[in-house]
Amino acid sequence: EDQVTQSPEALRLQEGESSSLNCSYTVSGLRGLFWYRQDPGKGPEFLFTLYSAGEEKEKERLKATLTKKESFLHITAPKPEDSATYLCAVQYNFNKFYFGSGTKLNVKP
Amino acid sequence: NAGVTQTPKFQVLKTGQSMTLQCAQDMNHNSMYWYRQDPGMGLRLIYYSASEGTTDKGEVPNGYNVSRLNKREFSLRLESAAPSQTSVYFCASSEDRVGEQYFGPGTRLTVT
Repeated sequence: EDQVTQSPEALRLQEGESSSLNCSYTVSGLRGLFWYRQDPGKGPEFLFTLYSAGEEKEKERLKATLTKKESFLHITAPKPEDSATYLCAVQYNFNKFYFGSGTKLNVKP
Repeated sequence: NAGVTQTPKFQVLKTGQSMTLQCAQDMNHNSMYWYRQDPGMGLRLIYYSASEGTTDKGEVPNGYNVSRLNKREFSLRLESAAPSQTSVYFCASSEDRVGEQYFGPGTRLTVT
């Protein structure tokens, strides 16, 4: 049973076309939900941590939100340099980390 | 600060060979992790070290061993490599047991 599911698997946007990525999770006792960006051939780069439902974090064109069962990464007016794979991860207990398979975002100029 | 560094960047092994992947962090973090990333499966935790002197199994520990050499360094050893261990391996660290992790650039391993 998948602990973390991300959708869509791939997303193509025109520059300036806002959208949202979804991360749903089935674990209970969430200790933290994390968003990362991964460029091809590189390690994941940390973006946001969310700890409780209702929490929001914002950075440039990205905004992450959290409910009891899912998180959204909103991308406002994206640019081509926002093209990457976005990963969601959840932590419950101290040794339980689960990553989703990611959403591959392609922003065309 | 270099952050998290990993060596080597690439490695090709024959089935049955052994090797050690090295990881070091300069952020004075307490916890360190080893993951593998396979297409379509996301990152999966192999082993982690909550603090210096401790190590524990993650989701997919079979075929691997680890050593937390000191606070900075955490190595991953494949004693007898198998084709199923072909993957990209990432090391990560975090300040404590709960919280965001910072990743290294990865080691691309191919076992033939």
